[in-house]
Amino acid sequence: EVQLVESGGGLVQPGGSLRLSCAASGFTFSSYWMTWFRQAPGKGLEWVANMNEDGSEKHYVDSVKGRFAISRDNAKNSLFLQMNSLRDEDTAVYYCARGRNWGGYWGQGTLVTVSS
Amino acid sequence: DIQMTQSPSSVSASVGDRVTITCRASQGVSNWLAWYQQKPGKAPKILIHASSILQRGVPSRFRGSGSGTDFTLTISSLQPEDFATYYCQQANSFPYTFGQGTKLEIK
Repeated sequence: EVQLVESGGGLVQPGGSLRLSCAASGFTFSSYWMTWFRQAPGKGLEWVANMNEDGSEKHYVDSVKGRFAISRDNAKNSLFLQMNSLRDEDTAVYYCARGRNWGGYWGQGTLVTVSS
Repeated sequence: DIQMTQSPSSVSASVGDRVTITCRASQGVSNWLAWYQQKPGKAPKILIHASSILQRGVPSRFRGSGSGTDFTLTISSLQPEDFATYYCQQANSFPYTFGQGTKLEIK
């Protein structure tokens, strides 16, 4: 059974940093693109970033370019999102998902709150 | 960026009804389109990818169609578990973008 479990969310002040993790199991992690999505409270879904199987190709939404970095550790079946210079508008539930073009499987999400 | 516009934003329907949700792209996305269902407090669940391919395990009452800029999600014979919010998402070009969502409510 495919499982994705996010962690690392929490309350952070504007300008601060957080590192999200996503632990994958139930499939060959190193064979799949992985994606981060987010959803602000009461709002719609937003694609944030994705990465290919070996980490050599990455794409980001403009609003996070230069501030967020997606990475992975295939030996540990883990996906990461390093978030720096956080802003109020980054407050959201962050989901990791398997797949390049769309999220075939999703985790339960982790809440990031940016507030002073 | 490609803008995705869903209509309606909300719809009320009864169990057994047929419902159609439309998604329009600001430029052509070929068939690089997915539909998701999301229930309150839960992660989205993919229903359809590549415009019309039903995800394994999704009931056949869900049907997707369209290509280019105009797409539809049709749910025939609504069931109680279908009341949720539905989103379309294009994957033709980065950044991938979503429609604003359509909330399907019980009449």
